[in-house]
Amino acid sequence: GAGVSQTPSNKVTEKGKYVELRCDPISGHTALYWYRQSLGQGPEFLIYFQGTGAADDSGLPNDRFFAVRPEGSVSTLKIQRTERGDSAVYLCASSLKRLAGGFGELFFGEGSRLTVL
Amino acid sequence: GIQVEQSPPDLILQEGANSTLRCNFSDSVNNLQWFHQNPWGQLINLFYIPSGTKQNGRLSATTVATERYSLLYISSSQTTDSGVYFCAVERNQGGKLIFGQGTELSVKP
Repeated sequence: GAGVSQTPSNKVTEKGKYVELRCDPISGHTALYWYRQSLGQGPEFLIYFQGTGAADDSGLPNDRFFAVRPEGSVSTLKIQRTERGDSAVYLCASSLKRLAGGFGELFFGEGSRLTVL
Repeated sequence: GIQVEQSPPDLILQEGANSTLRCNFSDSVNNLQWFHQNPWGQLINLFYIPSGTKQNGRLSATTVATERYSLLYISSSQTTDSGVYFCAVERNQGGKLIFGQGTELSVKP
C-alpha cells in the first residue's frame, strides 16, 4: 500500500482480555517497528523486526506482550491478560535499510488506540 | 541509555513568526530524525539528519554531532505547523530510535 496501515484504529476491551493489533508496512520496507505512546509523552520503543526476525525486543514491558512478523511483511502485536496500564496508542512504523548502513526515515501509521476498562 | 532533551517544552507563536527548536542528546548518534505530530496524532517524518544541514521549504534542520545537538528552524510559521515536534536518535545502527518528550507548538492566526 501507499502508507503504513494499522488496524483496528480503536479498540476497547476489558481487563484480562487478549488483544491483537495489526500493522501492514509500506511495500518493500524491510524494517518494521512498534512503539507505544501515552498521552503527553513521546513514542516509546517496543520492538523492531528486520525481515521476519525480531532484531531488538528490549522495549517490550513484560511477557504479556509479544509480536510476530511471520512472512516479513505484516506484523501483529499481541497483548495477553490486558491491564488498565496498557491503555495507549500503539504506533507502527517501517523503513528501508540504508546502503551506507543503518536505517532510513521512519514512516508511521495512524496508530491503534487501545483502551482497557 | 541515551538521553534526549528537547526545548522549549511549549511554544506559542503568532502566524508569520520564526522559531527554533532544540534537541540535545547525551551520546554520539548514527541516526537522528525530526518528526511532526499533527493534532490528529499522525507522525510525519520531517528530516533524517544525523549531521549537517538540510532544508525543505520553510523548514530547515542542523545537527552538530560533535556537540550533541540538533536544531529545527521554522520560518514564516502557519497555523498548520501546530502540533508536537519530536526529535529521535539512535546510538548504533540497530534501528531503535529513542524519542524526546517533544516541543508543543501552537501557531495563532
